[in-house]
Amino acid sequence: GDSVTQMEGPVTLSEEAFLTINCTYTATGYPSLFWYVQYPGEGLQLLLKATKADDKGSNKGFEATYRKETTSFHLEKGSVQVSDSAVYFCALSRQAAGNKLTFGGGTRVLVKP
Amino acid sequence: DVKVTQSSRYLVKRTGEKVFLECVQDMDHENMFWYRQDPGLGLRLIYFSYDVKMKEKGDIPEGYSVSREKKERFSLILESASTNQTSMYLCASGAASSGNTIYFGEGSWLTVV
Repeated sequence: GDSVTQMEGPVTLSEEAFLTINCTYTATGYPSLFWYVQYPGEGLQLLLKATKADDKGSNKGFEATYRKETTSFHLEKGSVQVSDSAVYFCALSRQAAGNKLTFGGGTRVLVKP
Repeated sequence: DVKVTQSSRYLVKRTGEKVFLECVQDMDHENMFWYRQDPGLGLRLIYFSYDVKMKEKGDIPEGYSVSREKKERFSLILESASTNQTSMYLCASGAASSGNTIYFGEGSWLTVV
């Protein structure tokens, strides 16, 4: 079945550091890939997405590129801020599976001033 | 903006009570979902629905039922609440018209005592 694996946290960084969160997936066909962010006490917000190979999703300084050859969708940000402290979820969906999201376990990121 | 509204943010219920969690979306989405989120277990799909009066079991349907009488509303029902159903419940909706992106509500924190 479909699965998503992302690096375990917590990841602790200083402000302005570079952030990478690794995400790899297993799925048949051509899934869409997503990064969601969850701030403390809140629901999930879509951060960015990519729907086909080599697409790059970007938002709020975050980027991720859909790499079919390595089945990866790593999240990056060049200079993090304290306000980026949150839990980040990598996820995939397939139209043939009713667009249900399959999530990774989430990575908690803590940015210190 | 897409709006997914969950009726209650925080609930405390007693063991054996019948519990209703309500969710409404305002974007005419066909697909609606209920997830639960638990520390260390990530997000798990309970039930989903592709259309009015249609429902499909997700990964952990035991102890839950759902109702979708109107397109915009998807209710999660705990027939007889138990302490192991203490969790954060997240409702979501999506459709092909939204690029198959799934949008989440703010979440409902349920404590069963």
